[in-house]
Amino acid sequence: GAGVSQSPRYKVAKRGQDVALRCDPISGHVSLFWYQQALGQGPEFLTYFQNEAQLDKSGLPSDRFFAERPEGSVSTLKIQRTQQEDSAVYLCASSSSLGLAGVGHTDTQYFGPGTRLTVL
Amino acid sequence: AQKITQTQPGMFVQEKEAVTLDCTYDTSDQSYGLFWYKQPSSGEMIFLIYQGSYDEQNATEGRYSLNFQKARKSANLVISASQLGDSAMYFCAMRVNYGQNFVFGPGTRLSVLP
Repeated sequence: GAGVSQSPRYKVAKRGQDVALRCDPISGHVSLFWYQQALGQGPEFLTYFQNEAQLDKSGLPSDRFFAERPEGSVSTLKIQRTQQEDSAVYLCASSSSLGLAGVGHTDTQYFGPGTRLTVL
Repeated sequence: AQKITQTQPGMFVQEKEAVTLDCTYDTSDQSYGLFWYKQPSSGEMIFLIYQGSYDEQNATEGRYSLNFQKARKSANLVISASQLGDSAMYFCAMRVNYGQNFVFGPGTRLSVLP
């Protein structure tokens, strides 16, 4: 089936504006992840969902960041009162992993194309 | 805490030659998985290859192979017969048991020369 899709691909926001970034995971994937990638660096974990449950949000940098996945499929990452330091690429990934003990090939995460956020 | 180190910020390789991209990792977990991704200029992270900590054989996927040395905690990616389309950023990542997210290294930029 189709891969992970994200929208918009590019977003320019004025400082202080709220933004919402959307992720459509691969159909049937129960696990969904958000990462933030600063220019020239590796992705950094933000938050993780298993179905509709947000099981880990330890990577969210501040309470201005909020994520949801109300029906266990599409997810939205919302950033309130954007700041210049929020400028980055936001990557969404999904996997078929059920998060059981052990690590295996099913833990492979498949990524979307990302949303490049620029805060002026 | 888990950590991935990629000590080569940039690498050059001649077309059709083989190249090795280094990755070392640090974890106290016995069960973990190592993943390599390619990120071309378009930005999408493309999965290349996976190695489990209990796998006895090195993983291979087409032109990609993983040189896994568990005692040294290294998981180097070998690309054989490089192609111009291999020019991209390459990231090594790890997931440990009971942790769902990946930890990524800083990446290596590979440039394939004609």
